Amino acid sequence: AQSVTQLGSHVSVSEGALVLLRCNYSSSVPPYLFWYVQYPNQGLQLLLKYTSAATLVKGINGFEAEFKKSETSFHLTKPSAHMSDAAEYFCAVSDATGGFKTIFGAGTRLFVKA
Amino acid sequence: DAMVIQNPRYQVTQFGKPVTLSCSQTLNHNVMYWYQQKSSQAPKLLFHYYDKDFNNEADTPDNFQSRRPNTSFCFLDIRSPGLGDAAMYLCATSGWGGTYQETQYFGPGTRLLVL
Repeated sequence: AQSVTQLGSHVSVSEGALVLLRCNYSSSVPPYLFWYVQYPNQGLQLLLKYTSAATLVKGINGFEAEFKKSETSFHLTKPSAHMSDAAEYFCAVSDATGGFKTIFGAGTRLFVKA
Repeated sequence: DAMVIQNPRYQVTQFGKPVTLSCSQTLNHNVMYWYQQKSSQAPKLLFHYYDKDFNNEADTPDNFQSRRPNTSFCFLDIRSPGLGDAAMYLCATSGWGGTYQETQYFGPGTRLLVL
């Protein structure tokens, strides 16, 4: 069965600093991987997804993620944090063995300091 | 704009009093999902519909039921809410292109408070 582990429930960066949110996955077949963002009292919004095309995936708001099969990782990065990036970020995986299910990680809350 | 709409955004109910949450979509997606999300936790899938086919998660309590009268609408019924059912309830939709890579589009959620 597929699973997702997000390392660090809280990450704090200064405005303008690099953002790195870590995600490792487990899947017995080629996975589809997603990053979602959730602002307070809102639903989840897709940032980007990996679907077996390019391993470096670019998303909205300047975020990108790199799929590394050898490390079973799909870390999310942004070169320069903005105050508006403060939110909860969820990594998620789905694959052909999981039916319609998307499995979400526990989430990482990003704090951005002025 | 095509979107997923949830009503109400906030719902207060009393312990044991049935409550219904509503979700509608203008995306014409054939898959609709209901998730429960408690504070600082990942969304937990309760069930989903593929067209009219209902799929319940094994650990979803019997207290939770759902109806999908047509493509656009889906309802979550909580028959006898307990204090532990207080949470954010998220509705999501996705297309089905024959693969598992379809993006899920989420509504803004309904926050349920049980008194």
